[in-house]
Amino acid sequence: GDSVTQMEGPVTLSEEAFLTINCTYTATGYPSLFWYVQYPGEGLQLLLKATKADDKGSNKGFEATYRKETTSFHLEKGSVQVSDSAVYFCALRASGGSNYKLTFGKGTLLTVNP
Amino acid sequence: NAGVTQTPKFQVLKTGQSMTLQCAQDMNHEYMSWYRQDPGMGLRLIHYSVGAGITDQGEVPNGYNVSRSTTEDFPLRLLSAAPSQTSVYFCASSYGGRETQYFGPGTRLLVL
Repeated sequence: GDSVTQMEGPVTLSEEAFLTINCTYTATGYPSLFWYVQYPGEGLQLLLKATKADDKGSNKGFEATYRKETTSFHLEKGSVQVSDSAVYFCALRASGGSNYKLTFGKGTLLTVNP
Repeated sequence: NAGVTQTPKFQVLKTGQSMTLQCAQDMNHEYMSWYRQDPGMGLRLIHYSVGAGITDQGEVPNGYNVSRSTTEDFPLRLLSAAPSQTSVYFCASSYGGRETQYFGPGTRLLVL
């Protein structure tokens, strides 16, 4: 079945450091790929998405590129801020099927220190 | 525009008790779904609905019932709570199944 594997956390960085959170997936066909962010005490918010190979999703300084050849969708940000501290989830939605479910990774806790 | 709302925010139940988790959205979304979030496991789909009057099972439906009598509301019922249902529950909605899904703030449930 479909699955998403993302790097284990927690990740602790200093402000202005470079961030990479790795995400790889297993799925048939051409799934859509997502990064969601969950701030403390809140629900999940869509951070960015990509729906086809080589697409780059971007938002709030975060970027991720859909790499079909390596089945990856790594999240990057050039300079993190304290306000980026949150849990980040990589997810996919299969290209077929009728339940439209999102398959999530386990999440990566990011803490940014001033 | 309140988005997706969930009540209650937190609930403690005893084993065997029943309760309903409420979810409502004011965006006229056709697709709604329930997920549970457990430590180290990401989110898993419990039930979903593609429109009023239509519901179906996700990957972990046992112990939960749903109904969708209106477009706005999608309650999740626990008929006889078990400790294994201790979790954080999220409701999500979207215009269609393939559109961006918007999540509610979650309900934290503890079953003793």
